[in-house]
Amino acid sequence: EDQVTQSPEALRLQEGESSSLNCSYTVSGLRGLFWYRQDPGKGPEFLFTLYSAGEEKEKERLKATLTKKESFLHITAPKPEDSATYLCAVQALNYGGSQGNLIFGKGTKLSVKP
Amino acid sequence: DSGVTQTPKHLITATGQRVTLRCSPRSGDLSVYWYQQSLDQGLQFLIHYYNGEERAKGNILERFSAQQFPDLHSELNLSSLELGDSALYFCASSAGTSGVGELFFGEGSRLTVL
Repeated sequence: EDQVTQSPEALRLQEGESSSLNCSYTVSGLRGLFWYRQDPGKGPEFLFTLYSAGEEKEKERLKATLTKKESFLHITAPKPEDSATYLCAVQALNYGGSQGNLIFGKGTKLSVKP
Repeated sequence: DSGVTQTPKHLITATGQRVTLRCSPRSGDLSVYWYQQSLDQGLQFLIHYYNGEERAKGNILERFSAQQFPDLHSELNLSSLELGDSALYFCASSAGTSGVGELFFGEGSRLTVL
């Protein structure tokens, strides 16, 4: 069964304290892995798409990496405005032709204290 | 602002009732996706419509149905509601339909079934 597991469930950091979020996936062939950010009371907001092992993408203080079994979202010198829930999702090879047919993890809730 | 509009933002109803959630996609997007987000299940793909036609189904219950109208707005109908249907319901849109693509989410409709 295709599955996405994110850890930790919650993470508290001090401002400037770098860390990483983990997304482990089990899927019958990976078409793409996605990271989304979700603020309280809002819908998910797209961050990155990764396609193959070894790929990396960066945006401001965030860097996403991908291996054959997991992805990491590295947060460098976080600020309070980085506080949010970060969702990981995968699209499997047998995705049925729909961009929206994604398997989401339950997310990591990040809190960054000043 | 993602450009995706969902109404209502909050809805409280009783078991056995029927509700309709509405979504207007971003201007120009032909695909609309519906998701359910609950605390224990995370974000789950329900159904995908493309230019008025059903394109893919995910974990959608038979009590739930959706449609997309000629003006591209979509409605998700939930009937014979049960306590377990209480959740956040998100709509997302995209320009394409298949392959890997960025989804734009609305702010969601929070449904509480009492």
